[in-house]
Amino acid sequence: GNSVTQMEGPVTLSEEAFLTINCTYTATGYPSLFWYVQYPGEGLQLLLKATKADDKGSNKGFEATYRKETTSFHLEKGSVQVSDSAVYFCALSEGSGGGADGLTFGKGTHLIIQP
Amino acid sequence: DTGVSQNPRHKITKRGQNVTFRCDPISEHNRLYWYRQTLGQGPEFLTYFQNEAQLEKSRLLSDRFSAERPKGSFSTLEIQRTEQGDSAMYLCASSLGVRGEKLFFGSGTQLSVL
Repeated sequence: GNSVTQMEGPVTLSEEAFLTINCTYTATGYPSLFWYVQYPGEGLQLLLKATKADDKGSNKGFEATYRKETTSFHLEKGSVQVSDSAVYFCALSEGSGGGADGLTFGKGTHLIIQP
Repeated sequence: DTGVSQNPRHKITKRGQNVTFRCDPISEHNRLYWYRQTLGQGPEFLTYFQNEAQLEKSRLLSDRFSAERPKGSFSTLEIQRTEQGDSAMYLCASSLGVRGEKLFFGSGTQLSVL
């Protein structure tokens, strides 16, 4: 079945540091890949996505590149801010398993940015 | 439209009681999903609807769980004879159903079974 593995947290960084959150996946076909973010007290919201190999998703200074050869979708940001503190979820959608266009999530990585 | 709405936000119940949650999706979305999230874990798929038809159910959805979407608009999730292990955040999401399109999530209903 499908699965997503992401680095465990919490990840604690200082403001303006470089961020990488690793994500690897297992899928039987050709999934779409997503990063969702959950800010304190709020619902999940899409941060970025990529639907095919070598695509790069980007939003709010965050980037992730769909790497089929390494089955990875690592999240990066060059300079984090305190407001980026949240839980980040890597997810995939393949049209089966989690419902057509439903999502299989990783366990989440709690990011803490200190001023 | 203000997004996906879930009610109640919090529910505390005693073991053995029945509970029902409601989800109002974004109005033009034909797909509606239910997920469950426990502390420190990612959301886990429970079931989804295409309009009023329930098309898939996870093995996590025991016989005590039932979901409906009678007119293809709002949905309800009922848990009968609740157990302490049912304590979790229950999330609803909706989408237009295009492959690779994002899901829009509600803020969830936090269930605590005492």
